[in-house]
Amino acid sequence: QKEVEQDPGPLSVPEGAIVSLNCTYSNSAFQYFMWYRQYSRKGPELLMYTYSSGNKEDGRFTAQVDKSSKYISLFIRDSQPSDSATYLCAMSFDTGRRALTFGSGTRLQVQP
Amino acid sequence: EAEVAQSPRYKITEKSQAVAFWCDPISGHATLYWYRQILGQGPELLVQFQDESVVDDSQLPKDRFSAERLKGVDSTLKIQPAELGDSAMYLCASSFNVDRGHEQFFGPGTRLTVL
Repeated sequence: QKEVEQDPGPLSVPEGAIVSLNCTYSNSAFQYFMWYRQYSRKGPELLMYTYSSGNKEDGRFTAQVDKSSKYISLFIRDSQPSDSATYLCAMSFDTGRRALTFGSGTRLQVQP
Repeated sequence: EAEVAQSPRYKITEKSQAVAFWCDPISGHATLYWYRQILGQGPELLVQFQDESVVDDSQLPKDRFSAERLKGVDSTLKIQPAELGDSAMYLCASSFNVDRGHEQFFGPGTRLTVL
């Protein structure tokens, strides 16, 4: 079993919809939780990170972390066709070498 | 805007040949990472540098892969000999230091195809 599980999708939604992307994980020692967006044939782009539990908002994006359930979410409000990409969750410890452990990514398609 | 630079963007080679990838991190970033991303999967760490020193190379197949960051700035990842299973995207990332590893910035990647 992978340390970080993520539904591969694809997830197809109409423009303007609220999108919910999720990851589950098994290692309770993870403390940093990141969301990356990756367009086709490009490198991942850091959207936002959260430390420990709680919510964080940045524009149309909201990240939530529930450490008790080992479950993280990314919400996208008023989705746009330009949001069509693969979304990767990643996690790391807050000590040591702090390497990132990624999920496999969810492919999102926002239909105009 | 500061970016991580990688070259080449695409590389096609035959198995048993040698290939090399180059990365120039964001200026001032002490920590540099090389990842491999197989199609449909998330990136997996190959090697991590702090300045010119290797911090972690536990997932680097050392019989065929090597990495260096001689002056603590740019870095080279080499594969010799390449195998069919090495076909993947090779990504370089950097962070200000190890403690800021949660803020890693990625380059555009090198897509390797081994025939």
